[in-house]
Amino acid sequence: NAGVTQTPKFQVLKTGQSMTLQCAQDMNHNSMYWYRQDPGMGLRLIYYSASEGTTDKGEVPNGYNVSRLNKREFSLRLESAAPSQTSVYFCASYRDSGASTEAFFGQGTRLTVV
Amino acid sequence: EDQVTQSPEALRLQEGESSSLNCSYTVSGLRGLFWYRQDPGKGPEFLFTLYSAGEEKEKERLKATLTKKESFLHITAPKPEDSATYLCAVQAGRLISGSRLTFGEGTQLTVNP
Repeated sequence: NAGVTQTPKFQVLKTGQSMTLQCAQDMNHNSMYWYRQDPGMGLRLIYYSASEGTTDKGEVPNGYNVSRLNKREFSLRLESAAPSQTSVYFCASYRDSGASTEAFFGQGTRLTVV
Repeated sequence: EDQVTQSPEALRLQEGESSSLNCSYTVSGLRGLFWYRQDPGKGPEFLFTLYSAGEEKEKERLKATLTKKESFLHITAPKPEDSATYLCAVQAGRLISGSRLTFGEGTQLTVNP
C-alpha cells in the first residue's frame, strides 16, 4: 500500500528551466492537492483538484500549472522556474465520504532554483 | 477567511513531562479539524480528524480534544521519539464542493531524554 507517491524527491533547477512534479495515489481518493512549505509560512495551497476533470487555484498559484491526468495522478508544472519557487512541495489526497475525511500526504519534493 | 493559530511555536519537554499543544481556529461551519505529525524531511503524517465539539480521540500517548473555538493535543508522558512538528488544519465545507484545508504553522516539540 504505497499511499501518495511523489517524484522526484530532490531537484535543482536553473532559473528559467521548466519541470513537472509528479504525484500518484492508490487510495481511490477523489480530491488531490499541491502545497508548498516554506520556513515560517506553513503549508500553502498552490492548486487543487476536487474531482477528476476539475482543477482550481489555491492561495499561491502564480508560476504554476497543474494537470489532473486521471483519478490517480495530479502533476504540477513550473514553466519558468524562479528562485522564489525554491521550496518543499507536497502532494496530498483526500477522501471526503460525507461521514468522514481521510487526508494523506506524500513525502515531498525538495526543489532548489539557482 | 478561515484562520488557524497554533501555540506555542516551540515546546521543549523532559521525557515523561506531560503537556498540551493548542490550536485556535476561526472558520465558518467547521466540517473537520485535523492533526498531523511532521518529522524533518518527511511529509505530514495523519493523526486524527475531529468533527464536533466535545469529541476526543486517542492514539498511544496522544489525545486530541475539540471545542467550538480550539483543539488541544495532549501528550502524556512523552518520549524522545515524540519529537516532531505537530500541525493543525481545519476544513469548512465538503471537499467536493471546493473546500480546502487551512493549516496552522505548527508547534515544534522537542522531548529530551
